[in-house]
Amino acid sequence: DGGITQSPKYLFRKEGQNVTLSCEQNLNHDAMYWYRQDPGQGLRLIYYSQIVNDFQKGDIAEGYSVSREKKESFPLTVTSAQKNPTAFYLCASSPQGTGHQPQHFGDGTRLSIL
Amino acid sequence: GQNIDQPTEMTATEGAIVQINCTYQTSGFNGLFWYQQHAGEAPTFLSYNVLDGLEEKGRFSSFLSRSKGYSYLLLKELQMKDSASYLCAVRDTGGFKTIFGAGTRLFVKA
Repeated sequence: DGGITQSPKYLFRKEGQNVTLSCEQNLNHDAMYWYRQDPGQGLRLIYYSQIVNDFQKGDIAEGYSVSREKKESFPLTVTSAQKNPTAFYLCASSPQGTGHQPQHFGDGTRLSIL
Repeated sequence: GQNIDQPTEMTATEGAIVQINCTYQTSGFNGLFWYQQHAGEAPTFLSYNVLDGLEEKGRFSSFLSRSKGYSYLLLKELQMKDSASYLCAVRDTGGFKTIFGAGTRLFVKA
């Protein structure tokens, strides 16, 4: 079955540590996204990528970095510069250039501070 | 600015009908989506509207008025499993970025 796989499901970060969240999709989608979800708030866009080797900052990119070396993979690194990283992180993908197609989401990674 | 407003919480009775409203103000518009999200899980797609009017899909229907910046999701014959958050989201003109509302938590009681 095609889908999006995020790992790990739960992640703990120590002060000053960088951590990387994995996102892999086998849907052959061109576009991939990272969102952050906090209690009582909507999904906020961190980064998105329309094609391999290209990505753009979303609304809350500070303290995060991404790479898109392969079509299937879009890892997110939460750096030590992100002072409030505790949140639920969702990765999504969609076909390129088809506005009516919904985004498909992974099951999320819950990040907490130790 | 970009803004999507939804009620924070709603409660309804099993077997009843509930309407969840969404108003939006965005710089561009290329369609409106509704997603369902159970606690701690991924959002799943429910419906898409890009033209004015009602789209029906089984127990779920969604309505759009572009001139009013308004949409609603109608859930009929409510079941306990419909207890979840419902997210309203607008895709921008470029087709890649989507703006999400904070979601409406629906509680279905027996």
